Amino acid sequence: ELKVEQNPLFLSMQEGKNYTIYCNYSTTSDRLYWYRQDPGKSLESLFVLLSNGAVKQEGRLMASLDTKARLSTLHITAAVHDLSATYFCAVDPGTSGTYKYIFGTGTRLKVLA
Amino acid sequence: DTGVSQDPRHKITKRGQNVTFRCDPISEHNRLYWYRQTLGQGPEFLTYFQNEAQLEKSRLLSDRFSAERPKGSFSTLEIQRTEQGDSAMYLCASSLSNYNEQFFGPGTRLTVL
Repeated sequence: ELKVEQNPLFLSMQEGKNYTIYCNYSTTSDRLYWYRQDPGKSLESLFVLLSNGAVKQEGRLMASLDTKARLSTLHITAAVHDLSATYFCAVDPGTSGTYKYIFGTGTRLKVLA
Repeated sequence: DTGVSQDPRHKITKRGQNVTFRCDPISEHNRLYWYRQTLGQGPEFLTYFQNEAQLEKSRLLSDRFSAERPKGSFSTLEIQRTEQGDSAMYLCASSLSNYNEQFFGPGTRLTVL
């Protein structure tokens, strides 16, 4: 059964600092998604990574996918308070893409002013 | 059409009562998914539909749970004889196909007293 693990689970960082969130998964997949969730809210799509070596950037966030290592990273550059949220990675449990996501445990990010 | 909608947004019920939630997907999306999210966890897959056909159900979906998508448009999720363990956020998502990203609705927060 596919397992998706994120670390760290909690991250408290100062504004202006850089940090990386890691998403590891246990079986082969070439489709990985990053979402943001604010407290009490639904999931907002951030990045769609569909092949090995894919890199996407939006503002202060950059995501990458290494399917051979079964690893995705979400890098935060010069964090600002507005980035405080919980970040989830989600994996399609198959190389051809299927119909459901397996979500990671989430990383709760708090950016301190 | 601005996105996936869910109704109600909040539901408080007493143990043993039945509840029904509705999801309206993005109009051109043929796939519809239900997930459940408990506090501090990532969403867990419950079931999904391609058009009106229910193609997979998670083991999490006990006999008390039933989902329908009668005309391939909106979907309903019914929970019979609710238990306190059913308290969670129920999220609906839709996509164009299994290769596209899923877009999530605002969720229905269920509290079982």
